[in-house]
Amino acid sequence: DAGITQSPRHKVTETGTPVTLRCHQTENHRYMYWYRQDPGHGLRLIHYSYGVKDTDKGEVSDGYSVSRSKTEDFLLTLESATSSQTSVYFCAITSTGGGTEAFFGQGTRLTVV
Amino acid sequence: QKEVEQDPGPLSVPEGAIVSLNCTYSNSAFQYFMWYRQYSRKGPELLMYTYSSGNKEDGRFTAQVDKSSKYISLFIRDSQPSDSATYLCAMANSGYALNFGKGTSLLVTP
Repeated sequence: DAGITQSPRHKVTETGTPVTLRCHQTENHRYMYWYRQDPGHGLRLIHYSYGVKDTDKGEVSDGYSVSRSKTEDFLLTLESATSSQTSVYFCAITSTGGGTEAFFGQGTRLTVV
Repeated sequence: QKEVEQDPGPLSVPEGAIVSLNCTYSNSAFQYFMWYRQYSRKGPELLMYTYSSGNKEDGRFTAQVDKSSKYISLFIRDSQPSDSATYLCAMANSGYALNFGKGTSLLVTP
């Protein structure tokens, strides 16, 4: 299994609070991604990173920010959580971008009440 | 219209059946095609990876890509109850990220 660890694995938070999810990899892969998965929508890209301090928006980036200060860590922050952000969040890594195999973490189940 | 279309199912088959899963896409620039399997409450795991057109076989699994029709398939032979999962197709051009289908839920009954 690819060395990807997401934390926390489960979280319940209140509307309006900030939340940070962490993705840690031990594969030294350049590209890291955050996806959310919702019934009827599948996996949707939130943000991705193509190097330390290099990030860009995905399909559903509103309300989210990311940071990558080290190769191994990619943080996703919900600036002010809303109920619509209740979802399962997955981190993924690839070695050379979209044309190579992506490996996923086990997911973080976030509930905003 | 989403770039990748995949029938969500559910698809229910008896053990031992041949399963055919399919995706269509609209972006002719896609060159890399993948199938992921996702068990309930787990992350997707890579099952098959194909570059450009053609077939690829790995054990009971065969992936086919028909770029002229913008159509990809995954065949599972001698299906087992342990194959019960959601199967996601994914594809990319030379860009940064994968484009996923919504996934097809498969149930293989003993």
